Amino acid sequence: AQRVTQPEKLLSVFKGAPVELKCNYSYSGSPELFWYVQYSRQRLQLLLRHISRESIKGFTADLNKGETSFHLKKPFAQEEDSAMYYCALSGPMGTSGSARQLTFGSGTQLTVLP
Amino acid sequence: DGGITQSPKYLFRKEGQNVTLSCEQNLNHDAMYWYRQDPGQGLRLIYYSQIVNDFQKGDIAEGYSVSREKKESFPLTVTSAQKNPTAFYLCASSISQHEAFFGQGTRLTVV
Repeated sequence: AQRVTQPEKLLSVFKGAPVELKCNYSYSGSPELFWYVQYSRQRLQLLLRHISRESIKGFTADLNKGETSFHLKKPFAQEEDSAMYYCALSGPMGTSGSARQLTFGSGTQLTVLP
Repeated sequence: DGGITQSPKYLFRKEGQNVTLSCEQNLNHDAMYWYRQDPGQGLRLIYYSQIVNDFQKGDIAEGYSVSREKKESFPLTVTSAQKNPTAFYLCASSISQHEAFFGQGTRLTVV
């Protein structure tokens, strides 16, 4: 079974401080990992995915297979980063072509204080 | 305006009644998903579908049913067997291994 754990429900940092949102996963294979973000009154949307190795809005995330982690980091937090962040995992297509399960963690509410 | 549309935005149901939530997408995506979002519990997967006429149970499928008769549509029925149906429901679609696009959600309240 695949599982995503985000240990922090709430996280507050001051503007300009570094921020790290933790994500650990459980999956027997090679998963695809994602971070999604939900700003106030907006739809849930993709922030970044590990296969593209890109930095979006200053955020990065490195997949650590040894520690089964995919922590989200930003060196200098901004007030507009305040949002709900979800880590997500997707497994490969089933051998019979069945659907791929996309599993989310419980989310971390980030608040960046002025 | 392309995207994924959920309707209605708010829905009220009497106890013992079945109710169906609509999800339509015009993105030509194969995969579609239904999640339930509760405070402090994040998104929990109810059902998902990769292709027409095929769908799989997620982690909390009991009390729910779905159909996938058309690629564009993936309606979710909340049956009377669902003991605690009051929640925010999110539908999503994606192309395999790519970004999932989410609807605006439907808030269901049992009265």
